[in-house]
Amino acid sequence: GAVVSQHPSRVICKSGTSVKIECRSLDFQATTMFWYRQFPKQSLMLMATSNEGSKATYEQGVEKDKFLINHASLTLSTLTVTSAHPEDSSFYICSASGGETQYFGPGTRLLVL
Amino acid sequence: GNSVTQMEGPVTLSEEAFLTINCTYTATGYPSLFWYVQYPGEGLQLLLKATKADDKGSNKGFEATYRKETTSFHLEKGSVQVSDSAVYFCALKGSNDYKLSFGAGTTVTVRA
Repeated sequence: GAVVSQHPSRVICKSGTSVKIECRSLDFQATTMFWYRQFPKQSLMLMATSNEGSKATYEQGVEKDKFLINHASLTLSTLTVTSAHPEDSSFYICSASGGETQYFGPGTRLLVL
Repeated sequence: GNSVTQMEGPVTLSEEAFLTINCTYTATGYPSLFWYVQYPGEGLQLLLKATKADDKGSNKGFEATYRKETTSFHLEKGSVQVSDSAVYFCALKGSNDYKLSFGAGTTVTVRA
């Protein structure tokens, strides 16, 4: 149990385009989901906390207009990287809260050319 | 605030060697503690957890004991395999918090 999926697993896009990443909790309902960014050989950086039916809470330094988060249902949260630039290239990981524990998705590798 | 300090890597071991990764934390109250493992190119998988003092989490031969007196949650495995090669993250969730605080991660490489 407690499986979280992400789609797509990899995406390559041109600079200036927008990319949407989906995060789904497959076998449990998650009122809270989290979006992280991970740079090579580094730990995870929390970007924002997504609560079903309300606005996301962004961490300091994360641009909410650039990283749009929508948590429309108890099993789905989406992260849209708007007008992506090469510096947005990274590994994006979501997690879903199941009680005390966060369960992580497999990650999405974004490459912006 | 809450923080986690993890032993720096990388750690390179031979198969069947004993593995220890140190993790200490700073937190108020009674946090929950976790070890996550990340295999190359993948997301994080929960390895084990402990939610109160003296609890021992265990999974796949790995163990960690929640020691409040030393504020530690060291990860151990008695006999590692090549398939244990991964990055290991110690994490903490505060008793009044929903966020996880992560350590920097320790890269472990097991050679045949």
